[in-house]
Amino acid sequence: DTAVSQTPKYLVTQMGNDKSIKCEQNLGHDTMYWYKQDSKKFLKIMFSYNNKELIINETVPNRFSPKSPDKAHLNLHINSLELGDSAVYFCASSPLASGSTDTQYFGPGTRLTVL
Amino acid sequence: GNSVTQMEGPVTLSEEAFLTINCTYTATGYPSLFWYVQYPGEGLQLLLKATKADDKGSNKGFEATYRKETTSFHLEKGSVQVSDSAVYFCALSDNAGNMLTFGGGTRLMVKP
Repeated sequence: DTAVSQTPKYLVTQMGNDKSIKCEQNLGHDTMYWYKQDSKKFLKIMFSYNNKELIINETVPNRFSPKSPDKAHLNLHINSLELGDSAVYFCASSPLASGSTDTQYFGPGTRLTVL
Repeated sequence: GNSVTQMEGPVTLSEEAFLTINCTYTATGYPSLFWYVQYPGEGLQLLLKATKADDKGSNKGFEATYRKETTSFHLEKGSVQVSDSAVYFCALSDNAGNMLTFGGGTRLMVKP
């Protein structure tokens, strides 16, 4: 069984469109994250959610809106896509609540290409 | 703020060669340190971790020791294989929010 899954794996779209990426974890973890990996492989945290509540928002534009319908899901909705949004987006989860440190488990990534 | 610096790649080695990938960090307090590996076309996988000074993390023949005095967490392997070809990321996690701060990644290429 896949621990952290993301859909779609590839997403190609035009500038200005709105798109969503879904993430689900079946590990029973409390905390979920979104990371962005650019073309040079730099990885940066975007958001962190703990039990459906936003914990971290690392100066991400308002066009990005995470949504957590329940503890096992953290979806990423992006409005008015720009060329610079092209990247690989990784979802991750960890077992402990915010305030502790623990291993994060990553999904396979979603490669977003904005034309 | 927290930061992680690791050697730039690519690192190209022959099979059975010794591997070292340097990683140094800047952080307040006592972070946990991690090495993640990303194989081509895949997501990140935890390779090893250490949560306090002088701890040694090890997995699949890879090792790294948490050195607080030099703020380093260098990754080593005695004999690399072609299947070790991947991008390796050093990362730290502070106790404030379990936010991972990554280094820039080092691509390792192992030739037969």
